Amino acid sequence: AQSVTQLGSHVSVSEGALVLLRCNYSSSVPPYLFWYVQYPNQGLQLLLKYTTGATLVKGINGFEAEFKKSETSFHLTKPSAHMSDAAEYFCAVARNFGNEKLTFGTGTRLTIIP
Amino acid sequence: ETGVTQSPTHLIKTRGQQVTLRCSSQSGHNTVSWYQQALGQGPQFIFQYYREEENGRGNFPPRFSGLQFPNYSSELNVNALELDDSALYLCASSLGGVKYQETQYFGPGTRLLVL
Repeated sequence: AQSVTQLGSHVSVSEGALVLLRCNYSSSVPPYLFWYVQYPNQGLQLLLKYTTGATLVKGINGFEAEFKKSETSFHLTKPSAHMSDAAEYFCAVARNFGNEKLTFGTGTRLTIIP
Repeated sequence: ETGVTQSPTHLIKTRGQQVTLRCSSQSGHNTVSWYQQALGQGPQFIFQYYREEENGRGNFPPRFSGLQFPNYSSELNVNALELDDSALYLCASSLGGVKYQETQYFGPGTRLLVL
């Protein structure tokens, strides 16, 4: 079975500062990992995904994440926060075969301080 | 290329009633997954349809049922509504049938309130 833990339900950073959102996973098989963003009153938008290959994954809007198997982590980072980054962020895991369901974490609400 | 659309956007029902939510998948996609997102929580997988057949189900009771049509659009039906069914219902479409995880693209959701 797969599960995801997102550390910190709320994170606040100043505009221009580093964004770090933490995600740890548990999986009985090599995982596929995802970060989605949800803006108020909207659905989920894919930021980036890790399947196989390079462990540093670059996504949209300047975000990136690094898959660290030894730490079972997939933390999301952005070097410089922008006001438009304020949203809810979800980490998700899936098994690596077929069109499997996504198992989501409980989310991290990111607030940007002007 | 059109994205995933859902209807209605908002819905208010009373306890015990039945509701049908609709989803049109992205062009070229043959798989639809439904998720329930309660307030302040991450989405929870309800079930998935692949080429009109149920292809996996989460921990939801049988009063949650679905359909997928030949054009790959889908419906989620919930009978005997309970207060705890109040949530944002998300539909995601993807291209299934291949041996690797395909990206799921989400619609904007239907917000259901049960009174």
